[in-house]
Amino acid sequence: GPKVLQIPSHQIIDMGQMVTLNCDPVSNHLYFYWYKQILGQQMEFLVNFYNGKVMEKSKLFKDQFSVERPDGSYFTLKIQPTALEDSAVYFCASSLARRAGNTLYFGEGSRLIVV
Amino acid sequence: AQKVTQTQTSISVVEKTTVTMDCVYETRDSSYFLFWYKQTASGEIVFLIRQDSYKKENATVGHYSLNFQKPKSSIGLIITATQIEDSAVYFCAMREGGSNNRIFFGDGTQLVVKP
Repeated sequence: GPKVLQIPSHQIIDMGQMVTLNCDPVSNHLYFYWYKQILGQQMEFLVNFYNGKVMEKSKLFKDQFSVERPDGSYFTLKIQPTALEDSAVYFCASSLARRAGNTLYFGEGSRLIVV
Repeated sequence: AQKVTQTQTSISVVEKTTVTMDCVYETRDSSYFLFWYKQTASGEIVFLIRQDSYKKENATVGHYSLNFQKPKSSIGLIITATQIEDSAVYFCAMREGGSNNRIFFGDGTQLVVKP
């Protein structure tokens, strides 16, 4: 099926530092998402993004979080500064259109460990 | 309130048998979309199958099929002729038909397929 690529696959970072998680969505997809999964728990929605703008974000999407996709390159999630509770696996997803029936395709996740 | 509920935490089966995983959902929308994803040991999340609420026929893809019981708000996943490599965590998900792009996931069911 369609592939979403995420870089890095894992990263260890000191608390307070900045981290950028990169996502290369499916090539013709227009809508992009970030989800957060703490070990052993369900995936939780963070944000979705379209046409250069945040469409919707959850309460988990703290002020320290930001997303962008400059010039059609990687769709990024930046956390600055990081906190211990940000340790989780972050999944990027993309879909072709906004209609609710469109299937989301997920990347393999970026495991973030904040120490 | 939890919108998607998977009550089975873990299921163990012998290969080549059939397994059913339960999922119930909660929505006020008349139009919604249901998905099953599988998360492998590596963390990869793979889209398996979907059911659109307006469709009466149960979806089938390969050895995956769905048991959609709309009056019970239930969408069970059936895997026939299970294989060792089907061992994974299976997530049920729902996306409502309105403008909200959010997809809600259940807590997941761990499937172990033994020889």
